[in-house]
Amino acid sequence: QPVLTQPPSASASLGASVTLTCTLSSGYSNYKVDWYQQRPGKGPRFVMRVGTGGIVGSKGDGIPDRFSVLGSGLNRYLTIKNIQEEDESDYHCGADHGSGSNFVWVFGGGTKLTVL
Amino acid sequence: EVQLVESGGGLVQPGGSLRLSCAASGFTVSSNYMSWVRQAPGKGLEWVSVIYSGGSTYYADSVKGRFTISRDNSKNTLYLQMNSLRAEDTAVYYCARDDLVGPGAYWGQGTLVTVSS
Repeated sequence: QPVLTQPPSASASLGASVTLTCTLSSGYSNYKVDWYQQRPGKGPRFVMRVGTGGIVGSKGDGIPDRFSVLGSGLNRYLTIKNIQEEDESDYHCGADHGSGSNFVWVFGGGTKLTVL
Repeated sequence: EVQLVESGGGLVQPGGSLRLSCAASGFTVSSNYMSWVRQAPGKGLEWVSVIYSGGSTYYADSVKGRFTISRDNSKNTLYLQMNSLRAEDTAVYYCARDDLVGPGAYWGQGTLVTVSS
C-alpha cells in the first residue's frame, strides 16, 4: 500500500491563502486521496477527494468554496483561500484500497495549520 | 442526518478487554461499510478495521487476532471487541461511514481508550 507524507506544520495569515501537500510514495501516482479536517478535540471531517484530474465527487457537507484541490504526479494538494480563524485545524490525507480479499486504509501524519 | 456516537472507552489494564460501540442514526449500518480508526495522543490517524455491507471484515496487522469488528442490525450499532490490550492501543477510537466516494464520509466524536496499569 502507499505511504502518504505530509509536512507537520504550516501557517498562513488571516485572509491569505495556503496550499497543503500530501505526497504518495513512488508507484502510486494513480491513487486518489481524501482530505480531512480535524479541529481541536473533534473527530475528523471529510473535505473532499482528489485525483490527478482534480476533485472526485462532491465536497463534504458544509465545506466552503474557499477549499479546493489539485493533483499532479505523486502530489495531492489542498488549497484554502481567504483563510479564516475556523480553518485552524489538523489536516489529514488518506488513501484506501479494497480488493476482493483485502482492504487497507492509510493516512499521512497530518499537517497542523496555524492561522496567524 | 447521519450521526455516529461512540461509547465504551475507559481505563483498562494491559492484557484486559474492552468493547466499543458506535450507535448510528440517519442511515442503516448494514447498508454501508463501516470502519474503526484510532488516533494515539498527539499522533496521526491509524485505520484499525472495516466491515463491509456483505459482512466481510478486515484488520490492520497491528490488531489482527486481538480485535473483532461486528454489528447488530437490530440496534443499528457497530462494535469493536478489543482483547489482549497493550499500552500502544491507547488512543481515541473513531467510527466512520463510507459513501460513494470513500470510507471516511462521516465520523463520530470518538471515545478514549487508555491501557495502563
